[in-house]
Amino acid sequence: KNEVEQSPQNLTAQEGEFITINCSYSVGISALHWLQQHPGGGIVSLFMLSSGKKKHGRLIATINIQEKHSSLHITASHPRDSAVYICAVGSGGGADGLTFGKGTHLIIQP
Amino acid sequence: DAGVTQSPTHLIKTRGQQVTLRCSPKSGHDTVSWYQQALGQGPQFIFQYYEEEERQRGNFPDRFSGHQFPNYSSELNVNALLLGDSALYLCASSGGWSPLHFGNGTRLTVT
Repeated sequence: KNEVEQSPQNLTAQEGEFITINCSYSVGISALHWLQQHPGGGIVSLFMLSSGKKKHGRLIATINIQEKHSSLHITASHPRDSAVYICAVGSGGGADGLTFGKGTHLIIQP
Repeated sequence: DAGVTQSPTHLIKTRGQQVTLRCSPKSGHDTVSWYQQALGQGPQFIFQYYEEEERQRGNFPDRFSGHQFPNYSSELNVNALLLGDSALYLCASSGGWSPLHFGNGTRLTVT
């Protein structure tokens, strides 16, 4: 069973700061997902990656398969980035039953 | 193009009752997964349906059962409800290696 650990659990930062959220897992995977959850429950998939680095706007996700570690970075953070960010891992494509971390609660203050 | 839709959005049930939650996947997606998210926790995988069969199952008791219909929509049934079943139930759909798309969830409260 894969264990997924995220850090930090809570993060409060000022608008414009560079944000890093970390995720470690215990067993080899084929895909790692970064998800964003806003109050009320809706979850949005930000990235699905199996190697290297992906970038979308101000968001960057990296993964190191050998170290079983991934990071999500937010550049020029904005209050609208405030949400819970969740790391999830699976062993087979996007359709696999995922194991989730507990999430990082991010608050960006103006 | 409608994304993943779940119904109902909120539900209140009494201990011992049974509940059915529904999910329509995003157009073009053939796989549906169900997750339970307790307050303040990350989602926990319940099970996944593909081609109308349960393909994977997480660590949930048999009180949790499901179904997938030929149009790929899915139901989650929970029997003999317990207080601890109170949670947000999320449905996610995908097709092959496409990213997951999540619904907004059904908030179940058991009293």
